[in-house]
Amino acid sequence: GNSVTQMEGPVTLSEEAFLTINCTYTATGYPSLFWYVQYPGEGLQLLLKATKADDKGSNKGFEATYRKETTSFHLEKGSVQVSDSAVYFCALSDNYGQNFVFGPGTRLSVLP
Amino acid sequence: GAVVSQHPSWVICKSGTSVKIECRSLDFQATTMFWYRQFPKQSLMLMATSNEGSKATYEQGVEKDKFLINHASLTLSTLTVTSAHPEDSSFYICSAPRLAGTQYFGPGTRLLVL
Repeated sequence: GNSVTQMEGPVTLSEEAFLTINCTYTATGYPSLFWYVQYPGEGLQLLLKATKADDKGSNKGFEATYRKETTSFHLEKGSVQVSDSAVYFCALSDNYGQNFVFGPGTRLSVLP
Repeated sequence: GAVVSQHPSWVICKSGTSVKIECRSLDFQATTMFWYRQFPKQSLMLMATSNEGSKATYEQGVEKDKFLINHASLTLSTLTVTSAHPEDSSFYICSAPRLAGTQYFGPGTRLLVL
């Protein structure tokens, strides 16, 4: 079955540091890939997505590129802020929004 | 703005009582909605798929008589935790697909059973 693996953290960075959170997946067919963010005490918010190979999703300074050859969707940000502290979930689904699978989540703490 | 809402956002109840959680899609129809459970510092676990006009489908290990799901309309699904016990305390999140391949999540309902 489909699965998502991501670095579990926690990840602690200083403000303005570079962020990478690795995500790799196993799936049949052509899944869509997502990053969701969960701030303390809140539900999940879609951060970015990519629906086909070589697509780059981007939002709020975060980027991730759908790499089919390496089955990866790593999340990056050039300069993190304290307000980016949250839990980040990598996820995939089939093209109909079904069979949604989450990674375990990576907790990010950004220190001032 | 939010495209999926949940009510209530948090609830405290006594052991043995039942609690109903509503999930609504705003401005769009959802023939399918999903219910997840999230334990502290853990990922989301899919509990069940709510289907408008038919029975919900439950994931393995989820008691259908314990977690009653009713997809009352194209914009509303409800999850009722029956005879709640302290081990049912958790964060319950619903989601609905709007665009192909994208899930929109509700803000979650935190349940505490005393």
